[in-house]
Amino acid sequence: AQTVTQSQPEMSVQEAETVTLSCTYDTSESNYYLFWYKQPPSRQMILVIRQEAYKQQNATENRFSVNFQKAAKSFSLKISDSQLGDTAMYFCAFSTSGTYKYIFGTGTRLKVLA
Amino acid sequence: NAGVTQTPKFQVLKTGQSMTLQCAQDMNHNSMYWYRQDPGMGLRLIYYSASEGTTDKGEVPNGYNVSRLNKREFSLRLESAAPSQTSVYFCAVFYKDRDYGYTFGSGTRLTVV
Repeated sequence: AQTVTQSQPEMSVQEAETVTLSCTYDTSESNYYLFWYKQPPSRQMILVIRQEAYKQQNATENRFSVNFQKAAKSFSLKISDSQLGDTAMYFCAFSTSGTYKYIFGTGTRLKVLA
Repeated sequence: NAGVTQTPKFQVLKTGQSMTLQCAQDMNHNSMYWYRQDPGMGLRLIYYSASEGTTDKGEVPNGYNVSRLNKREFSLRLESAAPSQTSVYFCAVFYKDRDYGYTFGSGTRLTVV
């Protein structure tokens, strides 16, 4: 069975600093997709960044970047220059092609401190 | 959320009551999903529909039924609500064109007392 593990239930970071959220997964598939979603207090699920497993280059989206280590099955999210608006729950998710069902981790609650 | 509309946003039910959560998309995509979110457990898949007229069970289908009568709409029904079904429910649509991923609805917070 495929699983996604987020081992950090809560984290905090000072405004303008850098923080890394960890995510590991387990699968026997060779082709899959990985995602990070942000859920602010509004409850809305917002896509932060995505990565296809066949791409070796790590995805980046402005202040957000990932460190994708396929052999280690690790997909960490780095937030640079943290802002107060980054305070949210962050979910790592895994999907394979075909049904595109997502498997989510249990989330990391991030608090950015002023 | 743009493209996926969920109703209602909040609901309180008594144990044993029934209700239907509605989800509609204007994105013209085939795959739709229902998830529930519980504290400390992330989001778990209840049911999904790969295309109009087809549905399949996810990880936690017990106590729920779904209906995909057309491409736009995918509803989730609780026939006899139980306190264990207190949760936040999300509908999602998978899109794949130049980009890919889920678009989520805004969620329904359901409390069963």
